[in-house]
Amino acid sequence: AQSVTQLDSQVPVFEEAPVELRCNYSSSVSVYLFWYVQYPNQGLQLLLKYLSGSTLVKGINGFEAEFNKSQTSFHLRKPSVHISDTAEYFCAVSDPTGGGNKLTFGTGTQLKVEL
Amino acid sequence: DTGVSQNPRHKITKRGQNVTFRCDPISEHNRLYWYRQTLGQGPEFLTYFQNEAQLEKSRLLSDRFSAERPKGSFSTLEIQRTEQGDSAMYLCASTVRNAGYGYTFGSGTRLTVV
Repeated sequence: AQSVTQLDSQVPVFEEAPVELRCNYSSSVSVYLFWYVQYPNQGLQLLLKYLSGSTLVKGINGFEAEFNKSQTSFHLRKPSVHISDTAEYFCAVSDPTGGGNKLTFGTGTQLKVEL
Repeated sequence: DTGVSQNPRHKITKRGQNVTFRCDPISEHNRLYWYRQTLGQGPEFLTYFQNEAQLEKSRLLSDRFSAERPKGSFSTLEIQRTEQGDSAMYLCASTVRNAGYGYTFGSGTRLTVV
């Protein structure tokens, strides 16, 4: 079974500061990894994904994430945040070999950007 | 491409009533997923369809829940004899072939059982 741990439930940060949202996963097989963002009262939007290849993936809105197999991590980073980045961020894992590729999500990290 | 549409956006119902939600996926997407999200939690998988076939159901999907996807187009999720514990956001997502292509989520249906 797969699982995702997002240790930080809330991350406050000042505008234009860098931010890192942490994600660790547990899986006995190879994985696909994702970050989604959820704005209030909306569905989830895909930020970026890792399927294979380069361990550094770039996504929308200036976000990037690095896959670290030895540490089973997929942390999300942005060098300079904006007020509009305030949202809930979810890390998710999928087994590419079967199971319908359903996603297993973490509990989310609320990013709050302050002036 | 008009995205994934879910209706209604909000539903308030009395305990014991039946409710039905609808999801219209992106037209060329053959996989459709239902997730449930409670406050402070990430979405949890309920079930998924490939075209009209329901291929997997989570143990979270009790016998009071049923989902259909007639003709492989829109899908409905029905909850019978609702309980307060059913209060949640119900999210629908669709994708081409598999999750590696990335899901497109709808805005969800928020159910409140009173």
